[in-house]
Amino acid sequence: AQSVTQLDSQVPVFEEAPVELRCNYSSSVSVYLFWYVQYPNQGLQLLLKYLSGSTLVESINGFEAEFNKSQTSFHLRKPSVHISDTAEYFCNSGGYQKVTFGTGTKLQVIP
Amino acid sequence: EPEVTQTPSHQVTQMGQEVILRCVPISNHLYFYWYRQILGQKVEFLVSFYNNEISEKSEIFDDQFSVERPDGSNFTLKIRSTKLEDSAMYFCARRTQGHNSPLHFGNGTRLTVT
Repeated sequence: AQSVTQLDSQVPVFEEAPVELRCNYSSSVSVYLFWYVQYPNQGLQLLLKYLSGSTLVESINGFEAEFNKSQTSFHLRKPSVHISDTAEYFCNSGGYQKVTFGTGTKLQVIP
Repeated sequence: EPEVTQTPSHQVTQMGQEVILRCVPISNHLYFYWYRQILGQKVEFLVSFYNNEISEKSEIFDDQFSVERPDGSNFTLKIRSTKLEDSAMYFCARRTQGHNSPLHFGNGTRLTVT
């Protein structure tokens, strides 16, 4: 079975600074990885996904994540954060019927 | 992709009362899920529903909970006798395919039990 670990529960960062949110996975079979974002008072939204092919995937709002098989990681990065990026971010490894989410990482962008 | 619509957005009920939370996904989706998020805590899996049957449920999903898709469109979560600790955000999610496709969430129903 697949599982993910997000080591950082909270990440404070100043506006316009770069950020990296860490996610490590463990799996012995095919890997499907997703990042979701939850803005205050909203449901989770898909940010980006890795299914196969290029190991670098990008979202429309400047985030990117790189699938690294040797390090079993799928870290989320953005070179310059904005106040509006303040949210909680969840890494997820898909699943069949029971799709679970970890504790998430709260990104706090400081003006 | 089209959104998932959840109603109501906020439900206030007294302890012991029954509540029904509704989700309106697109009719051709096969996989549906309910999640719960207590304020400030993680998103917890409750139940998954595939091909009009419960396929997996968590230990939270006890006899007080039930799900159904009565008319092939609406997907409902019923809590028979609410408790104070049922106060939370409840999210419905859907997916079109199997384990390599993402979930699409509604904006949730905030349930407050007094």
